[in-house]
Amino acid sequence: GAVVSQHPSRVICKSGTSVKIECRSLDFQATTMFWYRQFPKQSLMLMATSNEGSKATYEQGVEKDKFLINHASLTLSTLTVTSAHPEDSSFYICSARAPGGPEQFFGPGTRLTVL
Amino acid sequence: QKEVEQDPGPLSVPEGAIVSLNCTYSNSAFQYFMWYRQYSRKGPELLMYTYSSGNKEDGRFTAQVDKSSKYISLFIRDSQPSDSATYLCAPQGGSEKLVFGKGTKLTVNP
Repeated sequence: GAVVSQHPSRVICKSGTSVKIECRSLDFQATTMFWYRQFPKQSLMLMATSNEGSKATYEQGVEKDKFLINHASLTLSTLTVTSAHPEDSSFYICSARAPGGPEQFFGPGTRLTVL
Repeated sequence: QKEVEQDPGPLSVPEGAIVSLNCTYSNSAFQYFMWYRQYSRKGPELLMYTYSSGNKEDGRFTAQVDKSSKYISLFIRDSQPSDSATYLCAPQGGSEKLVFGKGTKLTVNP
């Protein structure tokens, strides 16, 4: 299957700081990338959909000014959590969809802890 | 009614057992039906998917979709301890969005 990487895998930050998470498709060009959040013992919740060169589409209830998404190229999308607070602590996972099929391939996830 | 319902388990079986994992859904527009496996603290891994109704087999895994009853199944034959994980069903409609079930936690005991 296709490979998607995320960096960093784990980050701890102080309340009020911003954190950037990178998502890369390593061996294919992703037409669309997705960002999810997963709280402990819960399923994945879609936060936003991003297409290269256009603004991200956010799901209802997700603050676009707090979770900034930049899809700079067909292989890179970034999620910036601005002014992070302890309630933003979660597991953030990206996925990428390759052209020609419905499959979404997921990255390994980033565990964010806000102190 | 939630779009996708999945029994969270946990489900515990002995090694070699046949495992049946199921989901129901409410949205008739779903066309693709994905199954993902997620190990603890890792991203989901795509196991297989089916398009519309029917069966699909891949090694020890068989996926079934019955669109008339809106019922999705994943069967695992000859289960192994390495199959211990959380299994997520995720239907997809025309919007590209996946709608995840809560996941079923499976433990295969040696």
